Amino acid sequence: QSALTQPRSVSGSPGQSVTISCTGTRSDVGGYKYVSWYQQHPGKAPKVMIYDVSKRPSGVPDRFSGSKSGNTASLTISGLQAEDEAEYYCCSYAGSYSWVFGGGTKLTVL
Amino acid sequence: EVQLVESGGGLVQPGRSLRLSCTASGFTFDDYAMHWVRQGPGKGLEWVSSISWTSGSVAYADSVRGRFTISRDNAKNSLYLQMDSLRGEDTAFYYCVKDGASWNFLDYWGQGALVTVAS
Repeated sequence: QSALTQPRSVSGSPGQSVTISCTGTRSDVGGYKYVSWYQQHPGKAPKVMIYDVSKRPSGVPDRFSGSKSGNTASLTISGLQAEDEAEYYCCSYAGSYSWVFGGGTKLTVL
Repeated sequence: EVQLVESGGGLVQPGRSLRLSCTASGFTFDDYAMHWVRQGPGKGLEWVSSISWTSGSVAYADSVRGRFTISRDNAKNSLYLQMDSLRGEDTAFYYCVKDGASWNFLDYWGQGALVTVAS
């Protein structure tokens, strides 16, 4: 149950695009289509932004998109807005009803 | 509207026990698996435990296996986490989380209950 690997921080200016990577193994990210991404603002509960690698829940802007290649999943946020500044976590199903999270990435909107 | 309300958090001494509860509303509780996820102060998210809708399948993180027990009461729309032999590293916000549909993602999150383990 080792944590997935995410960059500690990324940044971008309003209107730009950023991509956050999430690297796991064949036992989690590479082995299942159940990768999800969560946004967490300070003092708030996490909110799902992407599930099943690339699906967006209703209400999530289409500026948020997800993808996966091999053992690495990615979250791309296009047209950055000030309110996108938050911590982002990836998560993958890891078999036997267990889950594993990434360490989190702090997104700064410059 | 889906609502998940955790209760039972607080300050507890190392080695003692605590039981968290989560009351769910706004959805058919016994149609969904449920999860507990925790977040230590200034730290990232850590999956703790999951339970299927019938309680027939449960799973635990290595860090809590043998000390924590997850359970649910579908008649009361409630999820529980019995935490025994608590350690300082168990200090965290504990979130009750509803499953997406079929063990595919962690959908709705409660606001969390703070558990502080200290003497």
